[in-house]
Amino acid sequence: EIVLTQSPTTMAASPGEKVTITCRASSSVSYMHWFQQKSGTSPKPWIYDTSKLASGVPDRFSGSGSGTSYSLTISSMEAEDAATYYCLQRSSYPRTFGGGTKLELK
Amino acid sequence: QVQLKESGPGLVQPSQTLSLTCTVSGFSLTSYHVSWVRQPPGKGLEWMGVIWTGGSTAYNSLLKSRLSISRDTSKSQVFLKMNSLQTEDTATYYCATEPSFAYWGQGTLVTVSS
Repeated sequence: EIVLTQSPTTMAASPGEKVTITCRASSSVSYMHWFQQKSGTSPKPWIYDTSKLASGVPDRFSGSGSGTSYSLTISSMEAEDAATYYCLQRSSYPRTFGGGTKLELK
Repeated sequence: QVQLKESGPGLVQPSQTLSLTCTVSGFSLTSYHVSWVRQPPGKGLEWMGVIWTGGSTAYNSLLKSRLSISRDTSKSQVFLKMNSLQTEDTATYYCATEPSFAYWGQGTLVTVSS
């Protein structure tokens, strides 16, 4: 099983601040996928195939990485970005999610 | 448009069996795989298992002994059955399309309590 470790677990960012969330895999994966979840709602696809933005995702978001190290970056934090973000690997079964990063507005 | 909707009992007694249904529309179960994912209150996401377009299944090894996923393609429904429920199985249960996880149901909260 591929274990995904996200960091940080929680963080707070001010409007306009750059934010980076990392996801490290215990074994190499082909791509990383990211989901945004707000309280009481289902996870939403956010970034797929490491760097492709899902429909409707603002271009201040970006994704990068390869092998065992991936990241999600927000170039300039906005209030609506406050949420929990999860990485997912679907290179192999069982599918595994990272533990989540809760991003708050400072 | 693609839609998924979970349904089932909100409350299950400890040691009993959980039965959930995921009713899909906008696609055929022979075109998309469907996975089940759960999320305990205030915690992260856990992949439970998948039923592939051909009808085969794969499960999370931690749940494999208790979990069964099946489907009725004519009714566009996927079923989850999990036995020997304990309080730690209290969670919101989601179904989602595979392989992309592009579409999710709204989730159904299952509480395990006597």
